[in-house]
Amino acid sequence: DGGITQSPKYLFRKEGQNVTLSCEQNLNHDAMYWYRQDPGQGLRLIYYSQIVNDFQKGDIAEGYSVSREKKESFPLTVTSAQKNPTAFYLCASSITGGPYNEQFFGPGTRLTVL
Amino acid sequence: DQQVKQNSPSLSVQEGRISILNCDYTNSMFDYFLWYKKYPAEGPTFLISISSIKDKNEDGRFTVFLNKSAKHLSLHIVPSQPGDSAVYFCAASRSNDYKLSFGAGTTVTVRA
Repeated sequence: DGGITQSPKYLFRKEGQNVTLSCEQNLNHDAMYWYRQDPGQGLRLIYYSQIVNDFQKGDIAEGYSVSREKKESFPLTVTSAQKNPTAFYLCASSITGGPYNEQFFGPGTRLTVL
Repeated sequence: DQQVKQNSPSLSVQEGRISILNCDYTNSMFDYFLWYKKYPAEGPTFLISISSIKDKNEDGRFTVFLNKSAKHLSLHIVPSQPGDSAVYFCAASRSNDYKLSFGAGTTVTVRA
């Protein structure tokens, strides 16, 4: 059945290390997104990609990087430049071409920096 | 600058009664609005949406109302059930814009 998978569910990182979060979708969606959720806050957009080999910065892109080499995959790297990386990270996808944007979310990855 | 605001961080309601969640937005260019439901440690799931050409959209126990002049929308859940206990996010976008702006969420607790 179609959906979005994120791995791992929980991730621990030592301060100063880069870490990559995986996001895969088999919904044949063109657009993919990365959000960050912190306690008491809404979802904040990190990066998004409307098509393969193209992506744009969201509202809080500093300290993060992405790639979009395949339609199904949109990995997010949290670099050591991200000052406060401990958070819940959500990946989403949506179709393109229509006027409205309903995004479908994966289960999330909780990243903890030790 | 937060363009979508949910000013009530929490709501407690008795089972069987109505839950009313509110959302305000500041960007008059928004013309599509969505509600998502989220359980702890899971991703949000789409609940219901409304475009600006309508002022009401209903889906089972869930109804969303849009007041464009007040830049306000609300989600009504009737009757509320224990499984409705979750965080509800309001989101908004413009036509042909891939970005969604989210509110901070309202935690709903349905009491037995």
